Amino acid sequence: DGGITQSPKYLFRKEGQNVTLSCEQNLNHDAMYWYRQDPGQGLRLIYYSQIVNDFQKGDIAEGYSVSREKKESFPLTVTSAQKNPTAFYLCASSPTGTGRSEQFFGPGTRLTVL
Amino acid sequence: QQPVQSPQAVILREGEDAVINCSSSKALYSVHWYRQKHGEAPVFLMILLKGGEQMRHEKISASFNEKKQQSSLYLTASQLSYSGTYFCGTEQPQGSQGNLIFGKGTKLSVKP
Repeated sequence: DGGITQSPKYLFRKEGQNVTLSCEQNLNHDAMYWYRQDPGQGLRLIYYSQIVNDFQKGDIAEGYSVSREKKESFPLTVTSAQKNPTAFYLCASSPTGTGRSEQFFGPGTRLTVL
Repeated sequence: QQPVQSPQAVILREGEDAVINCSSSKALYSVHWYRQKHGEAPVFLMILLKGGEQMRHEKISASFNEKKQQSSLYLTASQLSYSGTYFCGTEQPQGSQGNLIFGKGTKLSVKP
């Protein structure tokens, strides 16, 4: 089955630790996205990539980093510089990097900083 | 430039209709609508494109008024399965590079 997967589903980390969230898609989509979701805030764009080996900052990139070495993979690292990392993180992909294509979302990773 | 959704929340009885609005202060190329159940991923409902036609998905339809920079989602004869939070995502011509800016969502609860 084609789709987009994220792991782990739940993640706990101590303050000061970096943590990497996995996102994989087998839909052969060019574009991939990371969003952060907080209660009552909607979805906010962290990073996006429209092609392999290229990515751009979104609206709230500070304290996060990404890589796009393979078309199907777009991991997100939450660094210790992120002041308030506890949130629900969603990865998405789209056939093209335009607003004319729907975005397919993964099941999400809920990150809790202890 | 985050679009504004209204109402923030609505409670319906099964079979009732509802309208969810999404307004932007910026010109729009397209508007997406997604529905998210609690703790799950958002699911795509439809896209409305500038100059395009009104879209329909089963008993859910949507319109896009380019001049007013707003879109409305119409849920007809609501079912229990319609419960969830509805988000609009807008594509704006300047600086967006095709990315979407999402509203804060409208929580819809359908009761038996």
